[in-house]
Amino acid sequence: AQTVTQSQPEMSVQEAETVTLSCTYDTSENNYYLFWYKQPPSRQMILVIRQEAYKQQNATENRFSVNFQKAAKSFSLKISDSQLGDTAMYFCASMAGGTSYGKLTFGQGTILTVHP
Amino acid sequence: KAGVTQTPRYLIKTRGQQVTLSCSPISGHRSVSWYQQTPGQGLQFLFEYFSETQRNKGNFPGRFSGRQFSNSRSEMNVSTLELGDSALYLCASSLGGRGLGETQYFGPGTRLLVL
Repeated sequence: AQTVTQSQPEMSVQEAETVTLSCTYDTSENNYYLFWYKQPPSRQMILVIRQEAYKQQNATENRFSVNFQKAAKSFSLKISDSQLGDTAMYFCASMAGGTSYGKLTFGQGTILTVHP
Repeated sequence: KAGVTQTPRYLIKTRGQQVTLSCSPISGHRSVSWYQQTPGQGLQFLFEYFSETQRNKGNFPGRFSGRQFSNSRSEMNVSTLELGDSALYLCASSLGGRGLGETQYFGPGTRLLVL
């Protein structure tokens, strides 16, 4: 079974600053994938960034990057140059290999508020 | 390309009734997953369908069921509704070919309120 833990229920940051959201996970699989999804208020969930566990290089997508520490089972998200539109609930999620077709296991989420 | 669509967007039902929710995936996507989102339990996986076959199932009672049609559209049904079934139900689609690690694209959800 997979578990994902986000220990920060809420965070806030000033516009243009950098913020890091934490995520730890547990899995017995060798083959798995990690994701960060963003759910803005009253809007649908969208993918922020995706990491394949067998790749050592940390994924980046524009202002978003991850710090993937496989041995520590840690997968944090760094948002640089925060913008007001980054205000959302952020979910860390994992998907195991094997027969876990279509199953994302989510953390409890972190509410991020970006202040002007 | 049009995104994932879900209908209806809002539903109010009473205990004991049943409900059917619909999800249309992105064109070309053959995998549809369903999730329940509640403030207390967070996001929980219900089931996944690919080519009209359920490939994976979460830990929900048998009152929750689903199906997928030949055009990849999917429905989920909840029978004998309970108050605790009040939630946002999300569906997500992916290409489904490899099945593992593919990005899922989410719909806007159906908000179900059970009175």
